[in-house]
Amino acid sequence: DSGVTQTPKHLITATGQRVTLRCSPRSGDLSVYWYQQSLDQGLQFLIQYYNGEERAKGNILERFSAQQFPDLHSELNLSSLELGDSALYFCASSVGVSKGGGTQYFGPGTRLLVL
Amino acid sequence: GNSVTQMEGPVTLSEEAFLTINCTYTATGYPSLFWYVQYPGEGLQLLLKATKADDKGSNKGFEATYRKETTSFHLEKGSVQVSDSAVYFCALSDAGGGSEKLVFGKGTKLTVNP
Repeated sequence: DSGVTQTPKHLITATGQRVTLRCSPRSGDLSVYWYQQSLDQGLQFLIQYYNGEERAKGNILERFSAQQFPDLHSELNLSSLELGDSALYFCASSVGVSKGGGTQYFGPGTRLLVL
Repeated sequence: GNSVTQMEGPVTLSEEAFLTINCTYTATGYPSLFWYVQYPGEGLQLLLKATKADDKGSNKGFEATYRKETTSFHLEKGSVQVSDSAVYFCALSDAGGGSEKLVFGKGTKLTVNP
């Protein structure tokens, strides 16, 4: 158990809908990262928050947004869903930014299926 | 941009065989290197890491050495077990710019038969 929790575990929805994925980082971790894992694109970085502030953006679509709340949990919002958004969405957390290469601990993921 | 290239799988071995999964990278700066493992139906678990050249990461019998001259971080294990069956991902992070986002290889699926 990594200490990172994600809910829900599975999500089935229809095209055009909007969903929210939730992540609670490990106790003491200030950074939260979101990744998407799909068969064709592999594991791709979406976005990072550090202590409530957006720190870096990756290949995140404009239909997707995220935020990190004062209690450090994070939510990833996916809207106007398309079939191609079906994927496994992982959240990871780390202590913060460090030159030593902070270790990221991953949650179990949310499997999203868009029908 | 930064990238990671892993040997394509799947890899199928018999129990107690020697394992090598090749990983090379392209990066600016001095990235940290990682191997993550994903067991069926589970999330990613950190297997080992190395943060500078010539560092050797090791865990559960797996080893990988950070080779700057060949930009490689190959994963090895002397004697695999059935329980090692999983997908293995090589990754790098570069803390430049204030982010430690990970860049992953495509993953290598390992199946170990009894």
